[in-house]
Amino acid sequence: EAQVTQNPRYLITVTGKKLTVTCSQNMNHEYMSWYRQDPGLGLRQIYYSMNVEVTDKGDVPEGYKVSRKEKRNFPLILESPSPNQTSLYFCASSFGENEQFFGPGTRLTVL
Amino acid sequence: LAKTTQPISMDSYEGQEVNITCSHNNIATNDYITWYQQFPSQGPRFIIQGYKTKVTNEVASLFIPADRKSSTLSLPRVSLSDTAVYYCLVQGTYKYIFGTGTRLKVLA
Repeated sequence: EAQVTQNPRYLITVTGKKLTVTCSQNMNHEYMSWYRQDPGLGLRQIYYSMNVEVTDKGDVPEGYKVSRKEKRNFPLILESPSPNQTSLYFCASSFGENEQFFGPGTRLTVL
Repeated sequence: LAKTTQPISMDSYEGQEVNITCSHNNIATNDYITWYQQFPSQGPRFIIQGYKTKVTNEVASLFIPADRKSSTLSLPRVSLSDTAVYYCLVQGTYKYIFGTGTRLKVLA
């Protein structure tokens, strides 16, 4: 089944404890992206990747890192999480600028 | 990239046609307009994409006037299962700006 998977789905952590949210797609898509969703603010793009080893900042990149060493994986790294990064995170992938396929989301709480 | 503006919420009755308009005054020449649907606790799902004039698929139509400063998503004969949040997205060279979404509630 064609899909985008994210892990973990739920995470509660404390300020400053490094964490990684994984994203994987099995559709051989070149493009992958991370978004955060907060009440009243809609979806905001954090980082995106046009292909392996090619990444760029979205609208709200501060406090996040990404890497794209393999085509199928695009992990989101929070080196020192803070409470304002408490949010619902979505990973997405697509062929070029066509329809994006979204993962199920990761709900992160930073205490 | 062009910011988008949508109504915060809309109510409709089953069987009616629903039109949701998105404003994107600063859209660039190469930008596309895409609409997504999102149910609670799920990721957004693609509905339709267009550049200009009218695009239709099996679930919706998208109308884009000549100046492209706005677009209208049209959902024919909505049902209760169409209750969701609908997002307008301006796509410009891999950097994407979503609107805040329109919460559509379909009433019986």
